[in-house]
Amino acid sequence: NAGVTQTPKFQVLKTGQSMTLQCAQDMNHNSMYWYRQDPGMGLRLIYYSASEGTTDKGEVPNGYNVSRLNKREFSLRLESAAPSQTSVYFCASSEVALSSYEQYFGPGTRLTVT
Amino acid sequence: AQRVTQPEKLLSVFKGAPVELKCNYSYSGSPELFWYVQYSRQRLQLLLRHISRESIKGFTADLNKGETSFHLKKPFAQEEDSAMYYCALGTETSGSRLTFGEGTQLTVNP
Repeated sequence: NAGVTQTPKFQVLKTGQSMTLQCAQDMNHNSMYWYRQDPGMGLRLIYYSASEGTTDKGEVPNGYNVSRLNKREFSLRLESAAPSQTSVYFCASSEVALSSYEQYFGPGTRLTVT
Repeated sequence: AQRVTQPEKLLSVFKGAPVELKCNYSYSGSPELFWYVQYSRQRLQLLLRHISRESIKGFTADLNKGETSFHLKKPFAQEEDSAMYYCALGTETSGSRLTFGEGTQLTVNP
């Protein structure tokens, strides 16, 4: 059981470039999330997918798009990267049907935009 | 609106001293509270949840609905406890989402 996996681990982009961050989970969870973590600001929700086929905006969605490819995979796309998107990105998953809101996190992607 | 407040961004204690990381929440219904820990450059891991009422790595946390608090405590801090700690709130009205506090960076000095 790998849990939640993310690729890549590190990425450096130039302003204006695009990229997709990949996330997969093998726990058969319905819900998946993308967060960004910035010093002094904690974790902020970018987008989430409550179930396969649905996606919703979180707290800071501007500049990002997501795709829930199937139950296992949830990708985050930066169409035109900006230095303000330099951050650590975490993917997470959960299964509320198990009577808990606990989320399981991936190892993170450290993104630098120059 | 639901909110989680961790008033201390930084907390520094000496090894063997007691430590308390504060967490207050705003929600009028029945909350589910969590403490997550993140060691340097690693993923967030669940440390405690109020439902299980267990002690992990010597840490405990009690939900106080009257004071809307869920403070994390350990009687004798260890150097390996140095990490970022996040308090998180789950509720029926937020669906599957969690609301996170801004985190407290704990440093345990030798």
